Amino acid sequence: AQSVTQPDIHITVSEGASLELRCNYSYGATPYLFWYVQSPGQGLQLLLKYFSGDTLVQGIKGFEAEFKRSQSSFNLRKPSVHWSDAAEYFCAANPMNRDDKIIFGKGTRLHILP
Amino acid sequence: DGGITQSPKYLFRKEGQNVTLSCEQNLNHDAMYWYRQDPGQGLRLIYYSQIVNDFQKGDIAEGYSVSREKKESFPLTVTSAQKNPTAFYLCASSRGGLSTEAFFGQGTRLTVV
Repeated sequence: AQSVTQPDIHITVSEGASLELRCNYSYGATPYLFWYVQSPGQGLQLLLKYFSGDTLVQGIKGFEAEFKRSQSSFNLRKPSVHWSDAAEYFCAANPMNRDDKIIFGKGTRLHILP
Repeated sequence: DGGITQSPKYLFRKEGQNVTLSCEQNLNHDAMYWYRQDPGQGLRLIYYSQIVNDFQKGDIAEGYSVSREKKESFPLTVTSAQKNPTAFYLCASSRGGLSTEAFFGQGTRLTVV
């Protein structure tokens, strides 16, 4: 079955440290891939997206993500986190079929230590 | 500004009552979605619609109903048959078709009292 997996439910990093959030997908063909961020009690905001081409994509708020076909992964990274980055992060995929149903991972909650 | 609007932000319902959550978009998007969010469970798809007058059940449609009479509007009714309706509900829209991301509203927090 098509799925998006975020193996880490919670991640804690110190302010100023680097960050990597993991995302794996399971599809027959490479889907379109997205990362969203959600602050408490708010909707989701798109950070970045990958459709094709360069496998390293840049997003807003200093985030980037790298698509690795061999590992079916689309990990989100940031070189230096800020306290304001504390939020929940969702990886999502559009499987490129007529069903056109966007599928989300269960999310990773990021905690920042001062 | 274009966007997607959910109302109300907070909603309280007595057990046994139906309640309707509003979702309106002025992005001219064809596809619209309703998700339910509970702590630790991520987003679960309730219903989605790819075009006016058509919609499909998602993974947890039981106890919910929708309509899509207009392109801009996709209201969700939480019926008394929904056993555990207290949750955060998110509406989203997308252009539809391939390579399109979803845009989200700010959500409605429904509490059954």
